[in-house]
Amino acid sequence: AQKITQTQPGMFVQEKEAVTLDCTYDTSDPSYGLFWYKQPSSGEMIFLIYQGSYDQQNATEGRYSLNFQKARKSANLVISASQLGDSAMYFCAMRESYKYIFGTGTRLKVLA
Amino acid sequence: DGGITQSPKYLFRKEGQNVTLSCEQNLNHDAMYWYRQDPGQGLRLIYYSQIVNDFQKGDIAEGYSVSREKKESFPLTVTSAQKNPTAFYLCASSSRGLAETNTGELFFGEGSRLTVL
Repeated sequence: AQKITQTQPGMFVQEKEAVTLDCTYDTSDPSYGLFWYKQPSSGEMIFLIYQGSYDQQNATEGRYSLNFQKARKSANLVISASQLGDSAMYFCAMRESYKYIFGTGTRLKVLA
Repeated sequence: DGGITQSPKYLFRKEGQNVTLSCEQNLNHDAMYWYRQDPGQGLRLIYYSQIVNDFQKGDIAEGYSVSREKKESFPLTVTSAQKNPTAFYLCASSSRGLAETNTGELFFGEGSRLTVL
């Protein structure tokens, strides 16, 4: 069965510092995709970054990078140079075939 | 602009009533999804549909029903059998399967907040 685990319910980071949000997953399917989404207080879901199970390199999108360690089944999100607008809930998700499963999320608060 | 439209944004219902949440997309996506989100929690999959006239139960389908008669539309009915329906409901779609080069990320609507009085 699919499973996504985010063990950090809440995190604080100082503005301009980097922060890592943890995500581990469990699947027996060799082909899968990993995603990170941001959910501000407005409730919208914003896609941040994607990593395919066969991708050799870690994904990067601007200030976001995904630290993909396949053997450890982890897909941590790194946000560099944190900004006040990064304060939000962050969800890790995994896709197997057509099914997408989400973790319970990490609430990030950026401090001025 | 292409996107997903959910309606209504806010809905109040008395216990024992069925309600239907609308979800329409103009992204030409084959796959559509319904998720439930409770305060401070993650998204849980209710139902998903890979193609028109076909849908599968997710992890928490009890008390919900869906239909997929058109590619663009995937309405969710919250029935009176759902014991705790007050939640935030998110509809999403994906182009997964159209090409292996795309990431297949989910595109979300703005959500519908259902409150049972």
